[in-house]
Amino acid sequence: DAKTTQPTSMDCAEGRAANLPCNHSTISGNEYVYWYRQIHSQGPQYIIHGLKNNETNEMASLIITEDRKSSTLILPHATLRDTAVYYCIVRAQAQKLVFGQGTRLTINP
Amino acid sequence: EAGVAQSPRYKIIEKRQSVAFWCNPISGHATLYWYQQILGQGPKLLIQFQNNGVVDDSQLPKDRFSAERLKGVDSTLKIQPAKLEDSAVYLCASTSLAGGRYEQYFGPGTRLTVT
Repeated sequence: DAKTTQPTSMDCAEGRAANLPCNHSTISGNEYVYWYRQIHSQGPQYIIHGLKNNETNEMASLIITEDRKSSTLILPHATLRDTAVYYCIVRAQAQKLVFGQGTRLTINP
Repeated sequence: EAGVAQSPRYKIIEKRQSVAFWCNPISGHATLYWYQQILGQGPKLLIQFQNNGVVDDSQLPKDRFSAERLKGVDSTLKIQPAKLEDSAVYLCASTSLAGGRYEQYFGPGTRLTVT
């Protein structure tokens, strides 16, 4: 079973920041938070991951709370191409990925 | 860098028929995964290979599904005989594990429809 809880769906206006929350209250000390997204008719795509520090790359930022029980993926300037299902996954390195239902993010023009 | 290749992209078969899917991972990636994604759900791991050895096949329905990775590169997933509930997208992914990188790279998937 997935170890995370995400909202089923979210909407965001184009050009605004999209903030996707994820709860992982049972996360263990050696487990990382991974984010993947899946655009319609494509395979999942890796976005970002982190252990306890905030992380940023060219795609997104990941903010992890100090107690590590929740995190937020931030897409700073959402575009229509960011419409996808976003999966938050908790796993230790090299462990298998266990996908939940994810959050269906719709970017509106 | 070329991505994970899969073929065919689409397949329609009748129940009780056999079908095979092919995957070519990213060059140099030792770890290969097959996932099943039923409509409306997240992908579910079926089998994981490390080089040509099976690491995890606990979720593979072994009475009808089989997979191999003979030379540690390409892989095939077979279903024989297919059931209606096997209708899904079958995704292949690969990972390098070099340098502590554990991100999985996914192919576009094969959409199977069993009628």
